[in-house]
Amino acid sequence: SQQGEEDPQALSIQEGENATMNCSYKTSINNLQWYRQNSGRGLVHLILIRSNEREKHSGRLRVTLDTSKKSSSLLITASRAADTASYFCATDAGGWMDSSYKLIFGSGTRLLVRP
Amino acid sequence: DVKVTQSSRYLVKRTGEKVFLECVQDMDHENMFWYRQDPGLGLRLIYFSYDVKMKEKGDIPEGYSVSREKKERFSLILESASTNQTSMYLCASSLWGTSFTGELFFGEGSRLTVL
Repeated sequence: SQQGEEDPQALSIQEGENATMNCSYKTSINNLQWYRQNSGRGLVHLILIRSNEREKHSGRLRVTLDTSKKSSSLLITASRAADTASYFCATDAGGWMDSSYKLIFGSGTRLLVRP
Repeated sequence: DVKVTQSSRYLVKRTGEKVFLECVQDMDHENMFWYRQDPGLGLRLIYFSYDVKMKEKGDIPEGYSVSREKKERFSLILESASTNQTSMYLCASSLWGTSFTGELFFGEGSRLTVL
């Protein structure tokens, strides 16, 4: 089963609006990351938030993490057509001593920003 | 900037053929990974390597093997390609210091079609 699950699966907004995507996970984590993927291309790292952090900003991106609810959200403010892409959260599921010492990706949210 | 280069963006092979997917990174990263990406299934880890000649199975290693003879190069091998291996293959690398769950740098992907 997947560690991270994004919600919604697809999101369509108008340029200039904010886009919010959510990620839920099942087990305790050390960090959570968000990646972006343009159609047919590789993934690009956006932001990493550690389990002891609650919020992090990078340009128009704002990520929050609620470890009590095992959830994270990615907010893109003032969206642009160029933000059209799929967005994935990725979590680690433990430490070196267990079998989950790797990133596990969700299925992603497809964001369409209409000009 | 870190560059991860995958040798082929698009390949078409026939069932039973041996397929080599090559990945080269230029930032002296210790860790390298091979994922496959399929619609609705997200990214699934096939194999990873944390040092030259070292390899570890991921979640779906069956039907695949890997080779890491040099630090910068990580090859994925399909010994006898099958139609269910039609997929997008993504190579990634990361620094050892970030463990296996730090920021990943991805290549552009190799879309393999097996007929």
